[in-house]
Amino acid sequence: RKEVEQDPGPFNVPEGATVAFNCTYSNSASQSFFWYRQDCRKEPKLLMSVYSSGNEDGRFTAQLNRASQYISLLIRDSKLSDSATYLCVELKGSWGKLQFGAGTQVVVTP
Amino acid sequence: DGGITQSPKYLFRKEGQNVTLSCEQNLNHDAMYWYRQDPGQGLRLIYYSQIVNDFQKGDIAEGYSVSREKKESFPLTVTSAQKNPTAFYLCASSTPGYSNQPQHFGDGTRLSIL
Repeated sequence: RKEVEQDPGPFNVPEGATVAFNCTYSNSASQSFFWYRQDCRKEPKLLMSVYSSGNEDGRFTAQLNRASQYISLLIRDSKLSDSATYLCVELKGSWGKLQFGAGTQVVVTP
Repeated sequence: DGGITQSPKYLFRKEGQNVTLSCEQNLNHDAMYWYRQDPGQGLRLIYYSQIVNDFQKGDIAEGYSVSREKKESFPLTVTSAQKNPTAFYLCASSTPGYSNQPQHFGDGTRLSIL
């Protein structure tokens, strides 16, 4: 089993709609996660951190479910510019090692 | 502006050749990392360095080497022993002393075999 697993998608979303997707992790002791956004052929960029039960930043909401060992990302009022691959990332250890999922592709259509 | 600079953006390697990818940061971060990304896969850690003159192997270090002589610089050499070097290489940095600090990435180098 992979340490961090994501549905690769694509999630095809009409503009203005809401989309949500999950990421599961195998280490029950993990406490810190990140969502990164990666555009095609570009570097990942930090979207938000998830340290406790969740985090919200504008149209983006992340939730951490420790009992079921998953993190979710919800995007409200989707914009065309939200089209990207979203990487779920687990922080491992105190020195900052990251474990990346393979990403979930989101395609927002007009 | 503070950031991470990787060069070159595109690099081609001939058989039996070693090539070096540059990574420079002016964020005053202690830790630096090298990742490799293949299509449809997540980033995989090649090497990391928490402090100058010290570095550790990541998950896929075979065929790669690094040095950390300066805080700002963490070059990666792809040696001829790396038989499948074609990938997108990403350098990152962070301040690991604060354990929840995320990593910030450079804009990557695409390496291909000639």
